[in-house]
Amino acid sequence: KAGVTQTPRYLIKTRGQQVTLSCSPISGHRSVSWYQQTPGQGLQFLFEYFSETQRNKGNFPGRFSGRQFSNSRSEMNVSTLELGDSALYLCASSFSTSGVYNEQFFGPGTRLTVL
Amino acid sequence: AQTVTQSQPEMSVQEAETVTLSCTYDTSESDYYLFWYKQPPSRQMILVIRQEAYKQQNATENRFSVNFQKAAKSFSLKISDSQLGDAAMYFCAYRSSFRLTFGEGTQLTVNP
Repeated sequence: KAGVTQTPRYLIKTRGQQVTLSCSPISGHRSVSWYQQTPGQGLQFLFEYFSETQRNKGNFPGRFSGRQFSNSRSEMNVSTLELGDSALYLCASSFSTSGVYNEQFFGPGTRLTVL
Repeated sequence: AQTVTQSQPEMSVQEAETVTLSCTYDTSESDYYLFWYKQPPSRQMILVIRQEAYKQQNATENRFSVNFQKAAKSFSLKISDSQLGDAAMYFCAYRSSFRLTFGEGTQLTVNP
């Protein structure tokens, strides 16, 4: 089985722009989660989607949004970029959100740099 | 809210020796899962081992094993026969429905 894929792998944007990141989960996985990783804040949960519905959201401003499509692929969008949004954005998929099949498998991440 | 604490920002071990990484967590839930993830310099997050809270038996995966103390809310990772490829950042994580909460991470160095 192919692993979780994320595109693009690297991105450079300027302040005020918006960006869309994409994540394709492992085949058969219906849950997709997004995390932001920075040296100062560590790994922080952004949101999780299951069957096209957002099930939980972390403590991030409304500039961060996401969605999930019927094929379980997910996108996250960040509008009005700020310098502090520079980070590694990780996507993870799991078969379910609870029970024994809830372990998350991560993609390689998208490195976003905001200038 | 659940919190996960890793009190050792850095650890080092000699090749072929054993090292233990510490993790504590705080929760009021009874049903949850605990994980150790490894993040090498490539930044790819790799699942090392998982533990179900309802299981008393400690999980083991080859050279990796955990010491799960539910009452103490402690979940340590033991790496036996350390190898150079084990060098990475290790994250302890707590999973309840819809969210995975990570600790701050422990940077493990393996010395030849």
